[in-house]
Amino acid sequence: LAKTTQPISMDSYEGQEVNITCSHNNIATNDYITWYQQFPSQGPRFIIQGYKTKVTNEVASLFIPADRKSSTLSLPRVSLSDTAVYYCLVAQRGDTGRRALTFGSGTRLQVQP
Amino acid sequence: EPEVTQTPSHQVTQMGQEVILRCVPISNHLYFYWYRQILGQKVEFLVSFYNNEISEKSEIFDDQFSVERPDGSNFTLKIRSTKLEDSAMYFCASSESGTRGGYGYTFGSGTRLTVV
Repeated sequence: LAKTTQPISMDSYEGQEVNITCSHNNIATNDYITWYQQFPSQGPRFIIQGYKTKVTNEVASLFIPADRKSSTLSLPRVSLSDTAVYYCLVAQRGDTGRRALTFGSGTRLQVQP
Repeated sequence: EPEVTQTPSHQVTQMGQEVILRCVPISNHLYFYWYRQILGQKVEFLVSFYNNEISEKSEIFDDQFSVERPDGSNFTLKIRSTKLEDSAMYFCASSESGTRGGYGYTFGSGTRLTVV
């Protein structure tokens, strides 16, 4: 499994754009990059997934450069409710093996008023 | 939006007692998981379950743990003889497909287990 590295914590203010970068130098050809969000005392929640270039949904954007050795989760105009832990995961897309999702330590985002 | 439901939300038990944590996965999902999170630490994988058998388990999932899908809707985690270090938040999750790069896992809100 590809190892991921992301900052332990980040601080921001309401209304700002937040970019969280994750390194995954050993990503394999079949691996996808997936981000989850976890609020205190709740289970993780899927945010976004991508393979290359850019993916955008109603919650976030995910930027993946051509070499795919890193990815950046972008949260536009954060609010206090975006305070959470954000996990970057790299996992194979395919039903073979059925390997379960493995979480790292994540990035703790604190949004201030 | 479909949810994974876990009961109870909080359970306190004495050391050495057996506990059963219950989960109702999303109805059309085929893969089921248990994770735990000790306070302040990361989410740790325990076990995955597919087609009525364990697909994968971690080192944490020793002989004290077992899982079962007793009927078409429930998925349970049993801890046979609880220890203080089993105190944690336990999350159940389900997915339609086993991997898909981690897409589409739905987690429940968790059961906070406190062993005293």
